Amino acid sequence: DVKVTQSSRYLVKRTGEKVFLECVQDMDHENMFWYRQDPGLGLRLIYFSYDVKMKEKGDIPEGYSVSREKKERFSLILESASTNQTSMYLCASSLGTSGGQETQYFGPGTRLLVL
Amino acid sequence: AQSVSQHNHHVILSEAASLELGCNYSYGGTVNLFWYVQYPGQHLQLLLKYFSGDPLVKGIKGFEAEFIKSKFSFNLRKPSVQWSDTAEYFCAGGLYNQGGKLIFGQGTELSVKP
Repeated sequence: DVKVTQSSRYLVKRTGEKVFLECVQDMDHENMFWYRQDPGLGLRLIYFSYDVKMKEKGDIPEGYSVSREKKERFSLILESASTNQTSMYLCASSLGTSGGQETQYFGPGTRLLVL
Repeated sequence: AQSVSQHNHHVILSEAASLELGCNYSYGGTVNLFWYVQYPGQHLQLLLKYFSGDPLVKGIKGFEAEFIKSKFSFNLRKPSVQWSDTAEYFCAGGLYNQGGKLIFGQGTELSVKP
């Protein structure tokens, strides 16, 4: 079974802090994704990566950056946290070889509260 | 612009009732379509997917979906729901060879009364 783990389930930070969210997958997947999930808005893609050190902006990249130094690890960084970044953050990974037809596997999510 | 929309935000059904959740997409090309489900306290997981062939696809737990190209729709169905189907359901779409990037709908919360 594919396993996607996220470093924290719950996180409380103060406005202006730098926040790191870590995601690790154990199935040698090429693609990794960061989404935020908000009620009534579904999942919105922040960034994705299709290879080590490669990244592409998703639909809502403002205020976020990412890092992928190793294939299994994909980090989301909030450079200066703001209250409107309070949300549930989901990481996902997929094989990356089937023209976009492959399943994405999701982690448990990190619920971030910015005060 | 590419988009995926779900019509129903919250659906309440009694056990044994039939279910149909609507999903419409707007894409200009070959599209891959998915339904994901999030049970309370669990990870998002795949229910079913369509990318070519038979437009009626079957997934886990008795769910199925029909791809109707002329209506740009990919509705999810189940003939008889159970209390354990209580969950949030997400439709998602992506273009072929776009690196697996998906656009998700807003989600539909399904509550099944025992």
